[in-house]
Amino acid sequence: SAVISQKPSRDICQRGTSLTIQCQVDSQVTMMFWYRQQPGQSLTLIATANQGSEATYESGFVIDKFPISRPNLTFSTLTVSNMSPEDSSIYLCSVEESQDYNEQFFGPGTRLTVL
Amino acid sequence: GQNIDQPTEMTATEGAIVQINCTYQTSGFNGLFWYQQHAGEAPTFLSYNVLDGLEEKGRFSSFLSRSKGYSYLLLKELQMKDSASYLCAASDSNYQLIWGAGTKLIIKP
Repeated sequence: SAVISQKPSRDICQRGTSLTIQCQVDSQVTMMFWYRQQPGQSLTLIATANQGSEATYESGFVIDKFPISRPNLTFSTLTVSNMSPEDSSIYLCSVEESQDYNEQFFGPGTRLTVL
Repeated sequence: GQNIDQPTEMTATEGAIVQINCTYQTSGFNGLFWYQQHAGEAPTFLSYNVLDGLEEKGRFSSFLSRSKGYSYLLLKELQMKDSASYLCAASDSNYQLIWGAGTKLIIKP
């Protein structure tokens, strides 16, 4: 399975600032996703990162708040813009490798605290 | 709408067996996944079912009934390290995963 790394692993940020989270995969993958997981909650899909085109956002998430880049098949970034304490969460990237079924592998996550 | 239901929390004893149930309603269906997530860690894949029946993988088994929109994860010979959250996710017609809220499993000695 793909090995996925995320940077930073955690950060504490001030209200109103922005943070960019990087996701690096050790192999080329077609599908990359960004999720948010708030304490004690399940995963919420933010968007699908599309290589060479704009990300596909889920309801409740917009590009201005969560701009995403996917310059190639092994790398993506998620920016959390103009942060507020409500953005405090774990942000996870995941990838799909298999063409047979959509099993997802997850990165270790980025724990974000906004003060 | 699309929905996944699973119990919020379960408690079991070390060495015992526990069954975690999941019911789903999705627009189309392309399989059911179970993931394990230890506190503070990312989810890791446990199982995938797309056909009816039981899939066994060591101490863990997963069952699917497509007609009932129902799955369960069976954990045998429970160990303390099995204390974790177990996430059920169904793949819809667009191959998008619809996630349940997770079941927190507490193992007691």
